[in-house]
Amino acid sequence: GENVEQHPSTLSVQEGDSAVIKCTYSDSASNYFPWYKQELGKRPQLIIDIRSNVGEKKDQRIAVTLNKTAKHFSLHITETQPEDSAVYFCAASKDFGNEKLTFGTGTRLTIIP
Amino acid sequence: NAGVTQTPKFRILKIGQSMTLQCAQDMNHNYMYWYRQDPGMGLKLIYYSVGAGITDKGEVPNGYNVSRSTTEDFPLRLELAAPSQTSVYFCASRPNSGQGDPYEQYFGPGTRLTVT
Repeated sequence: GENVEQHPSTLSVQEGDSAVIKCTYSDSASNYFPWYKQELGKRPQLIIDIRSNVGEKKDQRIAVTLNKTAKHFSLHITETQPEDSAVYFCAASKDFGNEKLTFGTGTRLTIIP
Repeated sequence: NAGVTQTPKFRILKIGQSMTLQCAQDMNHNYMYWYRQDPGMGLKLIYYSVGAGITDKGEVPNGYNVSRSTTEDFPLRLELAAPSQTSVYFCASRPNSGQGDPYEQYFGPGTRLTVT
């Protein structure tokens, strides 16, 4: 089955700096890669996703890049703010209709004011 | 819309007891999921359903059962609870094609379960 590895497990950055979280996946058939943000004690929420027909997607200060050849994808947060502090999870799955979303183990991001 | 709701919020079980975690959604979503989240770990899929009357196993189904008699409800049953089932349980649903982004999963607030 699919295996998703996520690094780093913890990340601290100064407010205003950029943060990058990286994930690798094992199944070359995976083609959907979402990122979820989970604040302390809260439910996970989708912040951005990418499908295998594109290499990059941006939404304001958040961007995701995908390298299908190397089987890795990354989350980039620019101009970080205190409210970006949370745990971020990457995930991967195969074609739409395959319901088995495999999650990474998470990255705890702390923004230092 | 209330979205995805879960009850109870917290529960402590003794080893060998049974319980049902309730999940409901009022968005008319066909697709529903149960995940568990162990401390410091990602979410693992327990069971999922693609519509009323249809369920299938996920990555970690042992020790759990589900049913889906209506579109709205997707209860998770724990039989003979074990300490290894101590976790936070999240229910989720996602839109059907034509309802919105069919890829986004909407999560409930979670149930924190402790088995001692």
